[in-house]
Amino acid sequence: GAGVSQTPSNKVTEKGKYVELRCDPISGHTALYWYRQSLGQGPEFLIYFQGTGAADDSGLPNDRFFAVRPEGSVSTLKIQRTERGDSAVYLCASSSLAPGGLAGAQQFFGPGTRLTVL
Amino acid sequence: GQQLNQSPQSMFIQEGEDVSMNCTSSSIFNTWLWYKQDPGEGPVLLIALYKAGELTSNGRLTAQFGITRKDSFLNISASIPSDVGIYFCAGQLPGNRDDKIIFGKGTRLHILP
Repeated sequence: GAGVSQTPSNKVTEKGKYVELRCDPISGHTALYWYRQSLGQGPEFLIYFQGTGAADDSGLPNDRFFAVRPEGSVSTLKIQRTERGDSAVYLCASSSLAPGGLAGAQQFFGPGTRLTVL
Repeated sequence: GQQLNQSPQSMFIQEGEDVSMNCTSSSIFNTWLWYKQDPGEGPVLLIALYKAGELTSNGRLTAQFGITRKDSFLNISASIPSDVGIYFCAGQLPGNRDDKIIFGKGTRLHILP
């Protein structure tokens, strides 16, 4: 079956522009996560959705970042007034189990969108 | 915030050698995870550990959840060329209501020809 897909795979934009990054989770997965991975670093948590609602957005760096998941499936990460420091790979992950369960919930990652802000 | 200290940062080994890498934290984790990331791809889960002291194998990979719940190691035996990549340790905190994962900075494994 299809895994998590993300589009575009690469996005180059100019400082100050607005960008949208899309994530298609595995069908039926209720939990969706966005992470950001800077060069030479591990992924860092941004936001978590359970269904349509953002249950935890504590990782969003500032109010230029916003994410939606209106129908509980596809999610879009939106970045306003991009800055050079926003350049990174943005990873999306999804999982099928309710979080906090005894065995944890395996997250399946997409290939990421590489964002470059010039 | 919580940090995971992963070492070594990079390794250069000969094919066939065994590999060992580890991760420590000042915080107690409920779950330890080991991922591998290839260029242009997202991380892929290798091993998940859920109990202090747990030792788990996946083929040539073996990982352990430290008894203090603040550390973990990953061993790879008889390395092969496809083992090249970045290995991340990661953890999930107690009482974590959303299962968000905290990652280390990675160990870059290189295999010399």
